[in-house]
Amino acid sequence: AQSVAQPEDQVNVAEGNPLTVKCTYSVSGNPYLFWYVQYPNRGLQFLLKYITGDNLVKGSYGFEAEFNKSQTSFHLKKPSALVSDSALYFCAVIPMEYGNKLVFGAGTILRVKS
Amino acid sequence: DTAVSQTPKYLVTQMGNDKSIKCEQNLGHDTMYWYKQDSKKFLKIMFSYNNKELIINETVPNRFSPKSPDKAHLNLHINSLELGDSAVYFCASSSIGTVANYGYTFGSGTRLTVV
Repeated sequence: AQSVAQPEDQVNVAEGNPLTVKCTYSVSGNPYLFWYVQYPNRGLQFLLKYITGDNLVKGSYGFEAEFNKSQTSFHLKKPSALVSDSALYFCAVIPMEYGNKLVFGAGTILRVKS
Repeated sequence: DTAVSQTPKYLVTQMGNDKSIKCEQNLGHDTMYWYKQDSKKFLKIMFSYNNKELIINETVPNRFSPKSPDKAHLNLHINSLELGDSAVYFCASSSIGTVANYGYTFGSGTRLTVV
């Protein structure tokens, strides 16, 4: 069975500071890994993905994520946070074999204060 | 053009009623999904259809019945609504060629409130 853990319910960071939102996963086989963002009263927007290749992947709005196979982690990062980054962030995993389901972590609220 | 559209956006109804939520995608995807987001924002898959065939059916009360008339549409009918059904329901779609690019494409959600 696949699962995703986001150990922090909320992350608080000052504007301009770097941010990290943590994610660890458990899946049999090789995974596709994703980060989605949800703004209040909105749907889920794709942020970035890891499929294969370079462990550091870049996505929308200056976000990046680092895949670590030995630690089964896929932490989301940004060098300099903006107040507008404040939202709910979801890590998600799906095994590479098509037909499996996309499983989400519990979500982490990111609050960036000016 | 809205890629995955859900109607209605908001739905307030009384306990015991029957209601439907509709979903349509214009992306040409062959698989569609229903997810439920509860009050704690946790997202859980409910159903998945591939080319009109049910392929994922999680542990969901049988009061919930999905229907897919064609691969571009997936509707969710809920009988005898209960207070605990209050949640945001998201429709999503994907294809074998798109999952690796951006996972699933999600609609904007339907906020169901049962009173």
